[in-house]
Amino acid sequence: GQQVMQIPQYQHVQEGEDFTTYCNSSTTLSNIQWYKQRPGGHPVFLIQLVKSGEVKKQKRLTFQFGEAKKNSSLHITATQTTDVGTYFCAETGTASKLTFGTGTRLQVTL
Amino acid sequence: GAVVSQHPSWVICKSGTSVKIECRSLDFQATTMFWYRQFPKQSLMLMATSNEGSKATYEQGVEKDKFLINHASLTLSTLTVTSAHPEDSSFYICSARGAGGVYGYTFGSGTRLTVV
Repeated sequence: GQQVMQIPQYQHVQEGEDFTTYCNSSTTLSNIQWYKQRPGGHPVFLIQLVKSGEVKKQKRLTFQFGEAKKNSSLHITATQTTDVGTYFCAETGTASKLTFGTGTRLQVTL
Repeated sequence: GAVVSQHPSWVICKSGTSVKIECRSLDFQATTMFWYRQFPKQSLMLMATSNEGSKATYEQGVEKDKFLINHASLTLSTLTVTSAHPEDSSFYICSARGAGGVYGYTFGSGTRLTVV
């Protein structure tokens, strides 16, 4: 099946700078979930978006779902070293299968 | 919250041997388990989906005779890599989903398999 693309693949920021990762699909997504995977760790669920144009916030993290439900974004304000990891978007498709995007690896330095 | 225990966390085996990886849901009944593999700096690729008491459904390109999945109970699923080869070395992660469509799938901590 077609994988959801994320950009950028990798971003290196200094602590305090903002960061955004984008998730793009050529087809309409039924929903979008976001996960964070620390180096050497497993994915941890962050949030799920279902409605067109939905925006949700978790402290410094802001998640958006596009109006056409073909794209989504995750924005981190004032990054911290604890934000280091790979951020994946994922879609639940047929048979509840969770399909991951290509991921964006974030590196934060002091 | 929901917890999924995966064991072992890492294993080294010789080429040609088989390795079994266990995934247990500790505080909920996992009606569906998913198995993924992840190569370094890559995304998670779904290998198969298993429902309790029925045969697993494998993704295209995944050899079902090589990657044996058993989901005998609502709390345990196993993945056996048979006749392992160095190219099977990877990070294997299970994910469990409870009944009723609870979203926010719970992942095991992963198993790093190295075949030498």
